[in-house]
Amino acid sequence: GAVVSQHPSRVICKSGTSVKIECRSLDFQATTMFWYRQFPKKSLMLMATSNEGSKATYEQGVEKDKFLINHASLTLSTLTVTSAHPEDSSFYICSAREGEGVTDTQYFGPGTRLTVL
Amino acid sequence: GNSVTQMEGPVTLSEEAFLTINCTYTATGYPSLFWYVQYPGEGLQLLLKATKADDKGSNKGFEATYRKETTSFHLEKGSVQVSDSAVYFCALSAPDNYGQNFVFGPGTRLSVLP
Repeated sequence: GAVVSQHPSRVICKSGTSVKIECRSLDFQATTMFWYRQFPKKSLMLMATSNEGSKATYEQGVEKDKFLINHASLTLSTLTVTSAHPEDSSFYICSAREGEGVTDTQYFGPGTRLTVL
Repeated sequence: GNSVTQMEGPVTLSEEAFLTINCTYTATGYPSLFWYVQYPGEGLQLLLKATKADDKGSNKGFEATYRKETTSFHLEKGSVQVSDSAVYFCALSAPDNYGQNFVFGPGTRLSVLP
């Protein structure tokens, strides 16, 4: 199946710093990528939908100025957590959609665990 | 709007027991249905999918049949192993007023004891 990578897999940073997470589709082109946040023992929370070449669409309650998303190419989307604080500590997962129709499938990256001290 | 409901668990079984995780959905149009699995500390992996009514998705001994009449996509495995311990998410992909919409259930945590 299609492969999606994420980098880094784990990051620890100081409060106030910014952290960039990369999401790449390795063997297919993805016009749409998604960013999710997952709290311990909870389901996925969709943060934003990232479309190549256009601005991301954020879900209600997600601060767009805090979580900057860039989808510069058909295989790369980045999420930057700006001025991170301890409450931003979480597991961030990206996914990429393969296909455009009703049979499309999302393939997920392995996730990035962010810890803000 | 589109939605997915699944048993939240946790589900605890002994090795070699039969597994069923129920999943029902509400959607406009004709959705595609998916099961994803998340092992501890990892991201989600596609387990199986079905794109039309009466299709059966299968992988690694897991099966699920797309039942349009009952709007269900229950996950089953005849004999679970300790290595199947994970969280299982049911999901659907269907068009909505804003385009294609991917919706996840809350996840079901499965623990298999030796």
